[in-house]
Amino acid sequence: DAGITQSPRHKVTETGTPVTLRCHQTENHRYMYWYRQDPGHGLRLIHYSYGVKDTDKGEVSDGYSVSRSKTEDFLLTLESATSSQTSVYFCAISAGTVRHEQFFGPGTRLTVL
Amino acid sequence: GENVEQHPSTLSVQEGDSAVIKCTYSDSASNYFPWYKQELGKRPQLIIDIRSNVGEKKDQRIAVTLNKTAKHFSLHITETQPEDSAVYFCAAIVSGGYNKLIFGAGTRLAVHP
Repeated sequence: DAGITQSPRHKVTETGTPVTLRCHQTENHRYMYWYRQDPGHGLRLIHYSYGVKDTDKGEVSDGYSVSRSKTEDFLLTLESATSSQTSVYFCAISAGTVRHEQFFGPGTRLTVL
Repeated sequence: GENVEQHPSTLSVQEGDSAVIKCTYSDSASNYFPWYKQELGKRPQLIIDIRSNVGEKKDQRIAVTLNKTAKHFSLHITETQPEDSAVYFCAAIVSGGYNKLIFGAGTRLAVHP
C-alpha cells in the first residue's frame, strides 16, 4: 500500500487537549497531504506539503497546523481539539507534477469528547 | 472556489447489471480525474484515472469517460459483482500545481446477489 503509515490509528481525546497525528512514507515522494473524511463531505483537504518545510493551507485548515522537517514525515497538529474535529484523518502522497496519482495511508480515527 | 459534484449519492443494482456514477467539475483548466473505491473501514484506493487528452479509458470491467466541453466525467462498471459494493469517489485536480485534488461527496454502491 504505497509505503504509507499513520499513527496512531485510533485516538480518543478530550476537548481542549493538543493532538498530533503522524504520517510516514518510504517512497521519497515530494507531495504529502492531510485530509479529513466526514459523512456526506467526501475527502476535504486540510493542509499539504510540496517539500521539506514547504506547506500550505487547504480548504478546511482552521484549527490545524502542520510541519514537515523530513521528506518522510508530515505531522498534523490540532492545537486545542474540539468536538467538530472528530473525524477520520487520511494522509496521502504524490510523486510529482508529471505523475498526478495520490495514494492514501490507512487513516486515523480521532474522537474528541 | 473549485467544486466537484457527484451523483447519485446511493446506487443499488442487481449482480450482473451495470452501474454508472457521474461527476461534474468547475475548474475548466483541470486535466486529471481519478476515481477511488473505499470499502468499509479501509483507505480510498485508486481504481482508474483519466487525463484530459483522452475521452475514454477502460480497465477490465470498469471504464471512465470524459467530456471536457461539458466538464463532466463518469465511471461505468459492467457485470457488477457483490465485491464491487463500496463507496466510490470522483476527484478533479486543481490547476496551478501541487497535485491537489477536489473530491466529490461519494456514491455508495450496493450490489445485490
